[in-house]
Amino acid sequence: DAMVIQNPRYQVTQFGKPVTLSCSQTLNHNVMYWYQQKSSQAPKLLFHYYDKDFNNEADTPDNFQSRRPNTSFCFLDIRSPGLGDAAMYLCATSRPTTAPFPNEQFFGPGTRLTVL
Amino acid sequence: AQTVTQSQPEMSVQEAETVTLSCTYDTSESNYYLFWYKQPPSRQMILVIRQEAYKQQNATENRFSVNFQKAAKSFSLKISDSQLGDTAMYFCAFMIVTGANNLFFGTGTRLTVIP
Repeated sequence: DAMVIQNPRYQVTQFGKPVTLSCSQTLNHNVMYWYQQKSSQAPKLLFHYYDKDFNNEADTPDNFQSRRPNTSFCFLDIRSPGLGDAAMYLCATSRPTTAPFPNEQFFGPGTRLTVL
Repeated sequence: AQTVTQSQPEMSVQEAETVTLSCTYDTSESNYYLFWYKQPPSRQMILVIRQEAYKQQNATENRFSVNFQKAAKSFSLKISDSQLGDTAMYFCAFMIVTGANNLFFGTGTRLTVIP
């Protein structure tokens, strides 16, 4: 089945230690998104890739970076995690030409990040 | 700026009963989509139902239906014949059709279906 996969599902890191979260997709979608969802809050968009074009949200901290080496994979890098970065990180994909509903976003299961 | 408001942080419903979750939004755009997403505990977010703003007819998907009031900027979700598997966090979301197609989410309503 076509899907969005996130690894690992749970990640523990230490304060200030860089961490990378992974997202892959078999949907062949050209748009990939990263959301941050803190406990009991709405998901908040960090950035997205439209093909190779990176689009950063204005209020996304510089501590968060992303890489998309190919269509299938996208990575979220947190350079120096702080306690406030503990959250669920959701990856989503979409394709402008998807029928019957263009731009519908398909979500992965998320990676829960704990910062010690 | 786009905002989505869900005024009910938590709700509960008896199994087999009907429940309505509220959502209001604010936008100056005329062409947009509205969504309800379901996020079960420790599971991924899935789309429940969607509505194009230009359509007057309310969307329905099996036991799920919406009441879309464009002038009032209201988009409520009705779940009929509630099932235990409906227990989840429900997010109302908004997307402008043009541009980056980003989703703007409300803060969610935690629904518990009681046996």
